[in-house]
Amino acid sequence: AQSVTQPDIHITVSEGASLELRCNYSYGATPYLFWYVQSPGQGLQLLLKYFSGDTLVQGIKGFEAEFKRSQSSFNLRKPSVHWSDAAEYFCAVATSGGSYIPTFGRGTSLIVHP
Amino acid sequence: EADIYQTPRYLVIGTGKKITLECSQTMGHDKMYWYQQDPGMELHLIHYSYGVNSTEKGDLSSESTVSRIRTEHFPLTLESARPSHTSQYLCASSGELGGGQGGAEAFFGQGTRLTVV
Repeated sequence: AQSVTQPDIHITVSEGASLELRCNYSYGATPYLFWYVQSPGQGLQLLLKYFSGDTLVQGIKGFEAEFKRSQSSFNLRKPSVHWSDAAEYFCAVATSGGSYIPTFGRGTSLIVHP
Repeated sequence: EADIYQTPRYLVIGTGKKITLECSQTMGHDKMYWYQQDPGMELHLIHYSYGVNSTEKGDLSSESTVSRIRTEHFPLTLESARPSHTSQYLCASSGELGGGQGGAEAFFGQGTRLTVV
């Protein structure tokens, strides 16, 4: 069965600092991987996705993520955080074994200090 | 821009009432999903559909039911609402996989925040 772990419930950074949010997945083969962002009271917006090919993927709003097969990880990064990035971030996985139905991690809440 | 709509956005209703949460998408996606999300918590899949006349229960047991009579419409119904149903309900859809380069990503509606008093 597919599963996703986001080990950090909360992350606090200062505006302008770099950011890395961790995501680990459990699945035997290479899964499809996603990062979503959710602002309070809103639905989820797709930031970026990985299906195959280049392991470093670029997304919207200046985010990027790197797929590392050896570590079963798909960490999200941003070189300089803006106050508007404060939100909840979800990592998700979809696999053939799971009929490509997305399974989500519990989310990481990003707090940005001025 | 994804076109998936949920109504109502907010609903406060009394115990025992029957409610239907609406979800519609204009992308022609075959797969649709309902997730339940409590504040600050992960998303739990409660229902999904592969297409018209297809409905399946998700990982999280739910007293709600769904129907899929039209491709674009995937409503969720609670026959008798209870305070334990208070939560946010998120509807999503995804398209067909295209050579491994797309389709598996889910597009989400804005959500319905349900409060049962």
